[in-house]
Amino acid sequence: DAGVTQSPTHLIKTRGQHVTLRCSPISGHKSVSWYQQVLGQGPQFIFQYYEKEERGRGNFPDRFSARQFPNYSSELNVNALLLGDSALYLCASSLGPGTGTYGYTFGSGTRLTVV
Amino acid sequence: AQSVTQLDSQVPVFEEAPVELRCNYSSSVSVYLFWYVQYPNQGLQLLLKYLSGSTLVESINGFEAEFNKSQTSFHLRKPSVHISDTAEYFCAVTEYSGAGSYQLTFGKGTKLSVIP
Repeated sequence: DAGVTQSPTHLIKTRGQHVTLRCSPISGHKSVSWYQQVLGQGPQFIFQYYEKEERGRGNFPDRFSARQFPNYSSELNVNALLLGDSALYLCASSLGPGTGTYGYTFGSGTRLTVV
Repeated sequence: AQSVTQLDSQVPVFEEAPVELRCNYSSSVSVYLFWYVQYPNQGLQLLLKYLSGSTLVESINGFEAEFNKSQTSFHLRKPSVHISDTAEYFCAVTEYSGAGSYQLTFGKGTKLSVIP
């Protein structure tokens, strides 16, 4: 069975540009969450989507947005990139929105470097 | 908001020695607790989780963690480490993010280095 797949694996962008990261959840999973992991830190929650609706949002600026498609895949968009956006972006899928019962499975991430 | 404190950023330990990675969380309500492991250039893998019931939870590769509600701790232990355990370990706790959804709040991580 395919796990959580993220694309691209690595990406280099220039300040001010826009970026789109993609995630395909495990088959049958309807919830996707996005996390940002800056070097040397733990992952920080950005968004959670369930059944194509935003169910949670972390403390990130409006430059960050996301959406979930009918096939439950998801995109994370970041506008007006800053150097501080350089990080590993992790996608996690779960059957439903509650971590306690369902648990999360993480992808390998997209390494974004902003220069 | 929840917070998770991992008291040691780096832990070096000799192969076959025991290890404890410490984790404390801030919450007075019921929580779910997790340990994740991250190998270099990879994503996070779930090591073990506490949802309810027995306060001692075990993983398939010899790690165990004990939930201590009075001390708000969830320390990770292994009686004998292997070189392959070299990785970064993250403690996490659930936090309600609204609309019936929960997010994970992570600690800053502990880098375990196993020395041959």
